[in-house]
Amino acid sequence: GENVEQHPSTLSVQEGDSAVIKCTYSDSASNYFPWYKQELGKGPQLIIDIRSNVGEKKDQRIAVTLNKTAKHFSLHITETQPEDSAVYFCAALVVGGGADGLTFGKGTHLIIQP
Amino acid sequence: DSGVTQTPKHLITATGQRVTLRCSPRSGDLSVYWYQQSLDQGLQFLIQYYNGEERAKGNILERFSAQQFPDLHSELNLSSLELGDSALYFCASSSRGSGPVSYNEQFFGPGTRLTVL
Repeated sequence: GENVEQHPSTLSVQEGDSAVIKCTYSDSASNYFPWYKQELGKGPQLIIDIRSNVGEKKDQRIAVTLNKTAKHFSLHITETQPEDSAVYFCAALVVGGGADGLTFGKGTHLIIQP
Repeated sequence: DSGVTQTPKHLITATGQRVTLRCSPRSGDLSVYWYQQSLDQGLQFLIQYYNGEERAKGNILERFSAQQFPDLHSELNLSSLELGDSALYFCASSSRGSGPVSYNEQFFGPGTRLTVL
């Protein structure tokens, strides 16, 4: 089955700096890659996703890049703000593969230092 | 607010007991997914239902079962509970299959925290 590795497990950046979280996946058939943000006591919130036919996608301060050849994808957050502090999860899925359960990475605890 | 609701928020029970967790998907969503989140295993997919029928199984124990009712709400039943079943249980829903082809955007509820003593 699919395996998703996520790094780093903890990331501390100064407010206003950029943060990058990286994930690799094992199943070359995976074609959908969402990113979730989870705040303390809440459920994961979908913040951005990318399909395998796209190399990059941006939404204001957030961007995701995908390298299908290397089987890795990354989340980029620019101009970080205190409210960006949370745990971020990447995930992968083979859409149309018969099973629609997301395979998640272990998460990255992002800390924004004031 | 994702539009997915889960009850109860917290559940404390003893080993060997049985509990039922409830989920109401977003309006119009036909697919419901259950996930377990624990410190050691992370977020793991348990099971998916689509329009009342089981669609896919993940790492779900035989002591666990689920169903989706005609009004599309879903219940996750956990029996013969063990200490290791203590975790957060999330329900997610998506519109996959209910309209044009979608890539399975899943929206999560706030979760049920289960504590087994």
